[in-house]
Amino acid sequence: AQSVAQPEDQVNVAEGNPLTVKCTYSVSGNPYLFWYVQYPNRGLQFLLKYITGDNLVKGSYGFEAEFNKSQTSFHLKKPSALVSDSALYFCAVREGNFNKFYFGSGTKLNVKP
Amino acid sequence: NAGVTQTPKFQVLKTGQSMTLQCAQDMNHEYMSWYRQDPGMGLRLIHYSVGAGITDQGEVPNGYNVSRSTTEDFPLRLLSAAPSQTSVYFCASTRGGRSAGELFFGEGSRLTVL
Repeated sequence: AQSVAQPEDQVNVAEGNPLTVKCTYSVSGNPYLFWYVQYPNRGLQFLLKYITGDNLVKGSYGFEAEFNKSQTSFHLKKPSALVSDSALYFCAVREGNFNKFYFGSGTKLNVKP
Repeated sequence: NAGVTQTPKFQVLKTGQSMTLQCAQDMNHEYMSWYRQDPGMGLRLIHYSVGAGITDQGEVPNGYNVSRSTTEDFPLRLLSAAPSQTSVYFCASTRGGRSAGELFFGEGSRLTVL
């Protein structure tokens, strides 16, 4: 069965420090992996995706993610956190040619000044 | 571009009432879907459609009906609302087939069932 796990409900970092939000996945075929951000009372906004190729993917707002096939992980990273990065982050997987997306439970990122 | 538009944004129902959440997209996307978001559970797929006239069930379809008469619209119907259906509902769309495109989300519809 396809699934996505985000092991941390909440991540706290200080502004200016690097941040990592973790995601692991399980699919039977080739994974298409995505990160989304949700601000309060808003819909989800697309940040970045991994389809194939370079394992380090760069996305919006300075975020990047590293695909690791052997560890089945797709962790979201940013070198220097901003207070405005505080939000709810979701990892998602779309299996190969199928049309179903599976989402993790979300990680709340708190960036403190 | 409007993208994905959901209405209403807020709704309060009594148990047993029916209602329809509307979703429309103007990107000519083949694939449309409905999710519900509950605290600590992420997003769970209710129903999805890969094109006009084609729908299928997701993870949590019970209590919900959908139809897809046009490419643009994908309404979600609650025939007899229950308190367990209190949630935030999101409609999302993407290119279909073998595309590896991301989902585009609406702003959400917050439903409370008393």
